[in-house]
Amino acid sequence: QKEVEQNSGPLSVPEGAIASLNCTYSDRGSQSFFWYRQYSGKSPELIMFIYSNGDKEDGRFTAQLNKASQYVSLLIRDSQPSDSATYLCAVNIGLSGSARQLTFGSGTQLTVLP
Amino acid sequence: GAGVSQSPSNKVTEKGKDVELRCDPISGHTALYWYRQSLGQGLEFLIYFQGNSAPDKSGLPSDRFSAERTGGSVSTLTIQRTQQEDSAVYLCASSLINQPQHFGDGTRLSIL
Repeated sequence: QKEVEQNSGPLSVPEGAIASLNCTYSDRGSQSFFWYRQYSGKSPELIMFIYSNGDKEDGRFTAQLNKASQYVSLLIRDSQPSDSATYLCAVNIGLSGSARQLTFGSGTQLTVLP
Repeated sequence: GAGVSQSPSNKVTEKGKDVELRCDPISGHTALYWYRQSLGQGLEFLIYFQGNSAPDKSGLPSDRFSAERTGGSVSTLTIQRTQQEDSAVYLCASSLINQPQHFGDGTRLSIL
């Protein structure tokens, strides 16, 4: 079992719809969770981070964390073609969140259709 | 500059040669990380520096890989006797303590 798992996609949604990206992780001690967006040929760009159970909203983006289920998700409302990218879920895997390096999922490729 | 700076942006070299990749972190960031991303893959952790502490080298794939960080700022990742499987994008990130990491644009390394 991979430490951080994502559906590789591709995930296609029509413009204006809600895109839902999911991620599960293996280590119950993990405490920090991040979503990065990566355009083709570019470096990862931080878009959201979440540390506590529940929802965190920033503009069109909402991160959701459920530590009991070891599940973190990213919702993108009113999806735009410019949101088309690979979305990487990253977790500080380690005892009580002690690890400082990030463990990344393999990414979900999102395409927003005009 | 405002962001993490990496150089060179592209490097093509022959198998067996040594290469050095450079990372200049965001000013004031005490933590520095190196990752590797192979084509179509997620990021793989290599090494982590925090202040003057001993680096976490647990992700280095072989003893051909080494890294140093001079003066708590600029870091150099060195790959000796390069192999074709070393071809990847090498990404550097920096952060404040317990804060999210910010990535540079990476060095695309191609081993012929």
